[in-house]
Amino acid sequence: LAKTTQPISMDSYEGQEVNITCSHNNIATNDYITWYQQFPSQGPRFIIQGYKTKVTNEVASLFIPADRKSSTLSLPRVSLSDTAVYYCLVGMNTGFQKLVFGTGTRLLVSP
Amino acid sequence: GAVVSQHPSRVICKSGTSVKIECRSLDFQATTMFWYRQFPKKSLMLMATSNEGSKATYEQGVEKDKFLINHASLTLSTLTVTSAHPEDSSFYICSASEPLQREGNEQFFGPGTRLTVL
Repeated sequence: LAKTTQPISMDSYEGQEVNITCSHNNIATNDYITWYQQFPSQGPRFIIQGYKTKVTNEVASLFIPADRKSSTLSLPRVSLSDTAVYYCLVGMNTGFQKLVFGTGTRLLVSP
Repeated sequence: GAVVSQHPSRVICKSGTSVKIECRSLDFQATTMFWYRQFPKKSLMLMATSNEGSKATYEQGVEKDKFLINHASLTLSTLTVTSAHPEDSSFYICSASEPLQREGNEQFFGPGTRLTVL
């Protein structure tokens, strides 16, 4: 399982775009990149997943360069409710593979 | 997306007692479920992989006799913390995946169970 490295914390203000970068230098050919969000005292929630280039859904975008050794989660126009911990995970495209969580990035959005 | 529930949401018990936590997949069948624990301001730590109809696979350092896992049906896995002690106080989270999904390795997490051992 590829190890991931993320910033421990980030601060932002309401309405700003937030970009959280994750490093995964030893990502394997069959690995996908998945991001989860976790609020205090709740289970993680799936945000977005991608393999290469760019993926966009209703809540976020995921940018993956050609070498796939890193990825960037982009949250457009954050609000106070986006304050949470964001985890980047790397693994094969199967729901049966165990997930190894790194430290995550604690995002604080202020008014 | 699929829904995973946990029961109870929080439990307080005396030291030495056993506590059972249930994890249910509400609208899908899950042959594999995972159990995590999380300490305050820390990341999730995988404890074990629960497989329906077979023994669970425990991660290194997790005592299988301490944390009993039973995955007796395709919608229910249970984690029993035996002879709980204060150091077992933690947030326990389960997850499951929907086997019929053709793409993505999204796992669906339960809301977690807060265990406090006095």
